[in-house]
Amino acid sequence: EPEVTQTPSHQVTQMGQEVILRCVPISNHLYFYWYRQILGQKVEFLVSFYNNEISEKSEIFDDQFSVERPDGSNFTLKIRSTKLEDSAMYFCAGHLAEVDEQFFGPGTRLTVL
Amino acid sequence: SQQGEEDPQALSIQEGENATMNCSYKTSINNLQWYRQNSGRGLVHLILIRSNEREKHSGRLRVTLDTSKKSSSLLITASRAADTASYFCATVTQGGSEKLVFGKGTKLTVNP
Repeated sequence: EPEVTQTPSHQVTQMGQEVILRCVPISNHLYFYWYRQILGQKVEFLVSFYNNEISEKSEIFDDQFSVERPDGSNFTLKIRSTKLEDSAMYFCAGHLAEVDEQFFGPGTRLTVL
Repeated sequence: SQQGEEDPQALSIQEGENATMNCSYKTSINNLQWYRQNSGRGLVHLILIRSNEREKHSGRLRVTLDTSKKSSSLLITASRAADTASYFCATVTQGGSEKLVFGKGTKLTVNP
């Protein structure tokens, strides 16, 4: 069964450094998302991506964040200058049809020191 | 405003018992989904119920949706120790994007 993959599984970085989190969605999916979950808290929406452009972004998704789908398979989230409060699990997700379950990747645990 | 608030926050039961978790939300929705998360792991989709549906079953799972009360419940029957996890409801707002708005979750512990 196809699944969403994410790399790395754990990333440790110093405050102020740039990080790129990578996701390979299921190949026929059209809608893509990034969510994050700070330890012990609920999952929060960051950004949605459809037809090669951002369709919606949350207040969290400020100028430090960017997303790309550079080659039709990978879907990346870049944080330009990480802050301590960016430490969280980051999940990518996708789906095919408009009203459909979202398939989540296993997440990347980002630790900012 | 908070969307998709579950209760209870934590639930501890014995194997074989049924577990019921509730979710309330504030806006009109297209659909409501339940997800499961084992500690520190990814989210696994359990079931999706559309706004025009009232009840749905999948194996040992039963989900109800009451749009007049803006609430949903997830029932797990004949629970097993392996059901121990956090359960989240997530809504897709009507007229909005397809993003999921999650609640804080119910932490279920099933004791053997």
